[in-house]
Amino acid sequence: DTGVSQNPRHKITKRGQNVTFRCDPISEHNRLYWYRQTLGQGPEFLTYFQNEAQLEKSRLLSDRFSAERPKGSFSTLEIQRTEQGDSAMYLCASSLAMDRGNIQYFGAGTRLSVL
Amino acid sequence: DQQVKQNSPSLSVQEGRISILNCDYTNSMFDYFLWYKKYPAEGPTFLISISSIKDKNEDGRFTVFLNKSAKHLSLHIVPSQPGDSAVYFCAAGDYGQNFVFGPGTRLSVLP
Repeated sequence: DTGVSQNPRHKITKRGQNVTFRCDPISEHNRLYWYRQTLGQGPEFLTYFQNEAQLEKSRLLSDRFSAERPKGSFSTLEIQRTEQGDSAMYLCASSLAMDRGNIQYFGAGTRLSVL
Repeated sequence: DQQVKQNSPSLSVQEGRISILNCDYTNSMFDYFLWYKKYPAEGPTFLISISSIKDKNEDGRFTVFLNKSAKHLSLHIVPSQPGDSAVYFCAAGDYGQNFVFGPGTRLSVLP
């Protein structure tokens, strides 16, 4: 296993369209996180899963956003009715909950551009 | 309200010299701190961490110092190398919970 994998790397869409991103975590990691990063800012937490359970959601995660991790392995993040303000880098990270300090390992991200 | 601040957006250092990156936090509940490094077109990469029970942690050329009373931490890189040029993010949280990231400092190490 080479790390956290995210697909696609880039996504260009028109306003109002739906988009879905996929994240494959490090295989033995039971926690999976989604972050959003805009220019000049650090990653902002969106949501996280422990196994298949979604344990926390940020207020940044509007009702147009939904995330799933159906079998506790890969996860998808869907954005419905995209808006130009959704343009950002979407980062996924995974960690091992038993790992002291909960170090998160990041994927390369999916860059979303909403036209 | 930014809970984690990195007040220097950028820093330039000569190769071989020391780089010092600073980070301040406001939440006294934070007890675990990490530094990540990010190259263009890549995700953040974990660099070094420190828990609140320590005031220093060292890993090769990288040392993190924590001053809990001042709610301040710093990352020292000695000696700095051109390959260290990247954006450095400070992150803070408590064990088992989510981390809050600072806005990052872009380090340029000049040959």
